[in-house]
Amino acid sequence: GDQVEQSPSALSLHEGTGSALRCNFTTTMRAVQWFRKNSRGSLINLFYLASGTKENGRLKSAFDSKERYSTLHIRDAQLEDSGTYFCAAEASGSWQLIFGSGTQLTVMP
Amino acid sequence: DAGVTQTPRHEVAEKGQTIILKCEPVSGHNDLFWYRQTKIQGLELLSYFRSKSLMEDGGAFKDRFKAEMLNSSFSTLKIQPTEPKDSAVYLCASSQTGDERLFFGHGTKLSVL
Repeated sequence: GDQVEQSPSALSLHEGTGSALRCNFTTTMRAVQWFRKNSRGSLINLFYLASGTKENGRLKSAFDSKERYSTLHIRDAQLEDSGTYFCAAEASGSWQLIFGSGTQLTVMP
Repeated sequence: DAGVTQTPRHEVAEKGQTIILKCEPVSGHNDLFWYRQTKIQGLELLSYFRSKSLMEDGGAFKDRFKAEMLNSSFSTLKIQPTEPKDSAVYLCASSQTGDERLFFGHGTKLSVL
């Protein structure tokens, strides 16, 4: 079955508000990455976490290997934050990245 | 498992060889993407097909990389000739047209010696 479950699949926010995306894992993962899809279709790395939390501007990510989840928080959302966000996890002992299926974020005026 | 299937899982090639990576998308998905994973940037788009038509050929990867989609359920990525700098993980993903979410395969790890 799926090892990475990402939610929600779609999210609408008004400018200035915030919310969180979440990825749950069915097995222990050693690290997680969060990506955003750019206009050309490439996935740009936002965060890489082996544990704890990281913050960059209005984005903050957390990873709890033991509890098997990761989150991406967006605060003070702006129109340009609209896009599709993906999490991907590295299983222990494997080089493979296992992706969530993505969250389509729409920020409205 | 009805997800995206990529083969092989590992590929080892010598410089100058031709290698072919394979991908079977999720049944019913119209869009298919090939990516190369880099540590610095994330996933660079190599090719994008919609209903078997090539929509994006990845610009910088044109000369030695060729993706094809001979039918709606099978795609290949050919690298010819391989170079050591091509060593990377290559990922295939598919989606339903109009849905921005992607369903990824497990990837092929290519090592070029």
